Amino acid sequence: QSALTQPASVSGSPGQSITISCTGTSSDVGGYDYVSWYQQHPGKVPKVIIFEVNIRPSGVSDRFSGSKSGNTASLTISGLQTEDEADYYCSSFTSSKILIFGGGTKVTVL
Amino acid sequence: DVQLEQSAAEVRKSGESLQISCVVSGYYFSQYWIGWVRQRPGKGLEWMGIIYPADSDIRYSPSFQGQVTISADKSTNTAYLHWSSLKASDTAMYYCARHKKSWFGELSIDSWGQGTLVTVSS
Repeated sequence: QSALTQPASVSGSPGQSITISCTGTSSDVGGYDYVSWYQQHPGKVPKVIIFEVNIRPSGVSDRFSGSKSGNTASLTISGLQTEDEADYYCSSFTSSKILIFGGGTKVTVL
Repeated sequence: DVQLEQSAAEVRKSGESLQISCVVSGYYFSQYWIGWVRQRPGKGLEWMGIIYPADSDIRYSPSFQGQVTISADKSTNTAYLHWSSLKASDTAMYYCARHKKSWFGELSIDSWGQGTLVTVSS
């Protein structure tokens, strides 16, 4: 099973909105509403910022939002801030009853 | 509070065996799947596999099937990741991760350990 496809990098200026895509197949992203997003700062542990496509855990900023259409899930960061500069990964449950990750997206705040 | 406490960093030579651990607290160990995620230096996250401690049901990613062994000890609330013969390419940070299961069986990660760095020299 191949990794989910994410853009290698996305950038934006402070205050702007950016969107990161996560493309899979009908056997993973398209087949289940169990897509999660993680934020990882350099040298730090990944942090869950979205689960079940669009649910934010307690304490996560509402500037982060998730959605899904067909085989592609998306993470939108609105009102971009310097602290949002990090790597972002998506994951999905699959028909093989395992999880797979996306390749990761580096977000740069210009 | 849910806590996943991983064992300390390890340095080994190629061909050696190794087991790292993840001790959990703050929840009922047997009721959640727990698994392992690899992150090679400068690379992305790779999902390795999971175990359900209540009945030792194990699922591996095809990429890791036969390469590692996942186990759990309910008496000590500990999950393990074992290599019988390490390779230099196993050098990575390894995270344990708690997985929650939906009513229909879908899984997602909701908590992470702090990571165990494994360095394998050739």
